[in-house]
Amino acid sequence: AQSVSQHNHHVILSEAASLELGCNYSYGGTVNLFWYVQYPGQHLQLLLKYFSGDPLVKGIKGFEAEFIKSKFSFNLRKPSVQWSDTAEYFCAVNAKGTDKLIFGTGTRLQVFP
Amino acid sequence: EAGVVQSPRYKIIEKKQPVAFWCNPISGHNTLYWYLQNLGQGPELLIRYENEEAVDDSQLPKDRFSAERLKGVDSTLKIQPAELGDSAVYLCASSLGQRGVEETQYFGPGTRLLVL
Repeated sequence: AQSVSQHNHHVILSEAASLELGCNYSYGGTVNLFWYVQYPGQHLQLLLKYFSGDPLVKGIKGFEAEFIKSKFSFNLRKPSVQWSDTAEYFCAVNAKGTDKLIFGTGTRLQVFP
Repeated sequence: EAGVVQSPRYKIIEKKQPVAFWCNPISGHNTLYWYLQNLGQGPELLIRYENEEAVDDSQLPKDRFSAERLKGVDSTLKIQPAELGDSAVYLCASSLGQRGVEETQYFGPGTRLLVL
């Protein structure tokens, strides 16, 4: 069965610090990969996604993620975080040809001015 | 363009009472999903519809949960009777539902249920 691991449950950073949130999945076949963000009081929004092609994916608000197939990883990065990035971040995976999304447990990011 | 609409946003009920949640997907989206999100966890799929057909309800606790999408547009998820452990956020999502195309799911704001 597929599973997604997000090892960082809670991350606290100061503004302008660099961010990297880990995401690892377990599945033997080809996958689609997603990062969703949930700002306080708001709904889940798509941050970026990987279907195929360039493994370095750029999303909204300066976020990017790199798919490393050999490591089953899809880590999220941002070179300089802002206070407005405070949110919960979810990594999700589905096997290609299916649309059953498997989510990680999420990482809560707090950015202090 | 309107996103996925859900109502109510919040619901407080006593245990053993029934409760229903409503979802209207993005216009033109054929596939609709209901997810359960417990505190501190990621969403977990309960049921998926392609048009009016439930194509994956393996995770839906059928003894107390039911869902319908009669005309292939909006959908209702019901719990009867509710238990304390049902307190959670119930999310609805939709996608275009095009065969052979990798798709993105778009989520609604959720209904936060508290069972007392």
